[in-house]
Amino acid sequence: GEDVEQSLFLSVREGDSSVINCTYTDSSSTYLYWYKQEPGAGLQLLTYIFSNMDMKQDQRLTVLLNKKDKHLSLRIADTQTGDSAIYFCADSGGYNKLIFGAGTRLAVHP
Amino acid sequence: DVKVTQSSRYLVKRTGEKVFLECVQDMDHENMFWYRQDPGLGLRLIYFSYDVKMKEKGDIPEGYSVSREKKERFSLILESASTNQTSMYLCASRLLDRADEQYFGPGTRLTVT
Repeated sequence: GEDVEQSLFLSVREGDSSVINCTYTDSSSTYLYWYKQEPGAGLQLLTYIFSNMDMKQDQRLTVLLNKKDKHLSLRIADTQTGDSAIYFCADSGGYNKLIFGAGTRLAVHP
Repeated sequence: DVKVTQSSRYLVKRTGEKVFLECVQDMDHENMFWYRQDPGLGLRLIYFSYDVKMKEKGDIPEGYSVSREKKERFSLILESASTNQTSMYLCASRLLDRADEQYFGPGTRLTVT
């Protein structure tokens, strides 16, 4: 079945860029998503990219999609302490389902 | 402002008890979902519903059932709670054809002792 994989932990210094990576297996994905989960909260949709795009930029966020390698990344420029959270990559695995990765915990230190 | 609410943030139940987790959305969404979230495993889909009284199994439906009697409400039922059902439970909803706008509730942390 479809699978989404991402590393579990990333630590960056405040002000640096963060890059969170994700790989997926479903070649028929229409959309790919990045969600953010702050402590004690549900998931919040950060951004998404349509599968025929290579890149999408939204303020400090840049999403890169390499469809050939089935690789998705999220870059956060000028990372702040408020960016500390768990980031989930998700694949639109079928019409009614999202397939989530395990989540990457981003820790931002001074 | 869109809203998905869950009946409890924290719940402690005993093994063998019947547990109801309630989710309500106020956006007139057709699709509603129940996930469980465990460290290192991400979110796994338990059940989803695309209309009133309609339900479909997700990836891990064993030990769970659901009920959708009204469009705005989707309930997850643990018929006989077990310790391996200790987890964070997340509800989500979206319009039928808008996978780019799936909204999540705050989650219910269930502990089964």
